[in-house]
Amino acid sequence: DSGVTQTPKHLITATGQRVTLRCSPRSGDLSVYWYQQSLDQGLQFLIQYYNGEERAKGNILERFSAQQFPDLHSELNLSSLELGDSALYFCASSVGRGGGSYEQYFGPGTRLTVT
Amino acid sequence: GNSVTQMEGPVTLSEEAFLTINCTYTATGYPSLFWYVQYPGEGLQLLLKATKADDKGSNKGFEATYRKETTSFHLEKGSVQVSDSAVYFCALVTGGGNKLTFGTGTQLKVEL
Repeated sequence: DSGVTQTPKHLITATGQRVTLRCSPRSGDLSVYWYQQSLDQGLQFLIQYYNGEERAKGNILERFSAQQFPDLHSELNLSSLELGDSALYFCASSVGRGGGSYEQYFGPGTRLTVT
Repeated sequence: GNSVTQMEGPVTLSEEAFLTINCTYTATGYPSLFWYVQYPGEGLQLLLKATKADDKGSNKGFEATYRKETTSFHLEKGSVQVSDSAVYFCALVTGGGNKLTFGTGTQLKVEL
C-alpha cells in the first residue's frame, strides 16, 4: 500500500458526460501528479500540482482540468467525454516539487470506461 | 525531448531463470532513472532507482546500473520467481523536472 488513495476504483459513463476523479496523497506529500495509462498511448503525464499551485503540465486535453485543495487532495475533471478517453488514470504524490530525488508514489488508479 | 525505449514483451521465463529487461533512454541533461513494477490490477510501485552515472539501484533481488556511455539502465535478476510476474516500466526524470517519462512496459511471465 503506497498510502495514496484514489476514488472511485471504476467508473462507467457515456460519451459527452463529465466525471470527477479524486486523489488523496500520502501524508506529508505536497505534490500530486496525474497520469493516464491507455493501450495506444502508454503511460502519459497529464499535470502536477504542488501545494495548491499548478506546477507542470503535460499532454492534458483542454477538456480536462485539475485542482489541488487546501487539504492537499486533488481532483481531475474530465468533460465532454469521448470513447478514446477510456483509460486507467493514476494519481501519484511526492514530498517535493520534482526532480529525481523525490520519489513518486502511485495510487491504485481509477479505471474509466466511456461507452 | 526525453524518451525511453524498452524491449518488447511478453518475456516468458521458467522459475529460477536469469532475467534481463533492456532499457535505453534519450534525455536532455542528466536524468534520474527508475524501474517501476505493476502487478495485475494494481498501481505502479517503485522498484529501484539511480540518480547518477555508474550508480546501481537494487531491491528485492533486482538490480540496474546507470550507464551513461550507453544511455542504458537494464533490469536484471539472477533467479526469477512466479511472484515476479508483472509489467515492468523503465522511466526517467530530468534535472529538477516533474514528469516521469515512461517506456512502453515489458510484461514478464514466470512459469513453474
